[in-house]
Amino acid sequence: DAGVIQSPRHEVTEMGQEVTLRCKPISGHDYLFWYRQTMMRGLELLIYFNNNVPIDDSGMPEDRFSAKMPNASFSTLKIQPSEPRDSAVYFCASSPGGRTGNTIYFGEGSWLTVV
Amino acid sequence: ELKVEQNPLFLSMQEGKNYTIYCNYSTTSDRLYWYRQDPGKSLESLFVLLSNGAVKQEGRLMASLDTKARLSTLHITAAVHDLSATYFCAVDLTGANNLFFGTGTRLTVIP
Repeated sequence: DAGVIQSPRHEVTEMGQEVTLRCKPISGHDYLFWYRQTMMRGLELLIYFNNNVPIDDSGMPEDRFSAKMPNASFSTLKIQPSEPRDSAVYFCASSPGGRTGNTIYFGEGSWLTVV
Repeated sequence: ELKVEQNPLFLSMQEGKNYTIYCNYSTTSDRLYWYRQDPGKSLESLFVLLSNGAVKQEGRLMASLDTKARLSTLHITAAVHDLSATYFCAVDLTGANNLFFGTGTRLTVIP
């Protein structure tokens, strides 16, 4: 299995620009998660989906952030407009289901720098 | 508000020594995960602990869970340089694999 695939791996953009991060979960996994990692705040859950439906988006920092999962094999996290404080590593993760004990598999991350 | 606290935050230890990383959490849960992260890399799953008293071991690492004390430990036996990394514990509150991560413990093993 190829694992969770994220793109781009690295992105540098100017403040005010739109940023779209992409994720392909592991085939057959029902749950998809978007996390953000920064030095100051550590790892934070932004949003997660179950069977393509957003379940909890309480971690999304503000309206500039949006996430979609149009089908079981693809999700996007969009920031519009981007700000320097959005600079972070964004991880996508997936798991086989909500049953207790399922391992959550993380992608390699998208390193975002907003200048 | 849920808090997941790890200590120490930084740990420097010599090869061959033993040490324990602690993970305390502030609310009831019986599902606790341990992950490893190398610099600039993704998170690698180490252990999933599902019940009070659960103990799992892999190589030089052993994890345990005490749900009554809301405490998990990651014990390192006879450390080697390859174990140098940041270790995270994470608590699953909802049963949907919705993880709340600890602050991380950055381990450096010195030859």
